[in-house]
Amino acid sequence: AQKVTQAQTEISVVEKEDVTLDCVYETRDTTYYLFWYKQPPSGELVFLIRRNSFDEQNEISGRYSWNFQKSTSSFNFTITASQVVDSAVYFCALSEDDRDDKIIFGKGTRLHILP
Amino acid sequence: GAGVSQSPSNKVTEKGKDVELRCDPISGHTALYWYRQSLGQGLEFLIYFQGNSAPDKSGLPSDRFSAERTGGSVSTLTIQRTQQEDSAVYLCASSLGRWGHGYTFGSGTRLTVV
Repeated sequence: AQKVTQAQTEISVVEKEDVTLDCVYETRDTTYYLFWYKQPPSGELVFLIRRNSFDEQNEISGRYSWNFQKSTSSFNFTITASQVVDSAVYFCALSEDDRDDKIIFGKGTRLHILP
Repeated sequence: GAGVSQSPSNKVTEKGKDVELRCDPISGHTALYWYRQSLGQGLEFLIYFQGNSAPDKSGLPSDRFSAERTGGSVSTLTIQRTQQEDSAVYLCASSLGRWGHGYTFGSGTRLTVV
């Protein structure tokens, strides 16, 4: 069965610090997809990234980077030089279907960036 | 439309009453999903519609919950005989159903059962 674990329920860092959000997943499939979503205080979920299980290359997008390691079943998310606007709940998620149906979400990590 | 639209944004209802929550997906999106987010919890999958295929209802928590999608577009989630534990934010999302797009979520309906 699919499962996504985000062990950190809440993190607080001071602005400009780097912060890493952990995500560990479980799946019996060899083909699967991993996601990160951001939920700012406004409540609307924003898609950040999707990776497939065959592509373990790390990805960088501006201040955001993702580290996918199949050996440890982890898909961690790092924000470099954090800003107050990064304050949100971040969800890691997993899907075993290439049409994106039935994405299973972790419980989320609430990130506070303190000015 | 430009985004996924949900209505109402807030709903307060008395225990035992029925409620209907509406979702208007992005035009052209063939896939539509309903999730529930209880306070401090993650997103719980409820139901998924893809084109003309039979919906995946495996996440519906009880037979008091049902959903329809008319004409491959608008969807209605109905909760009958509401209970206090039904209080949550109900989120709808739609997608093109193809690799790389992810979901686009609506702003949700906050349901409070008193």
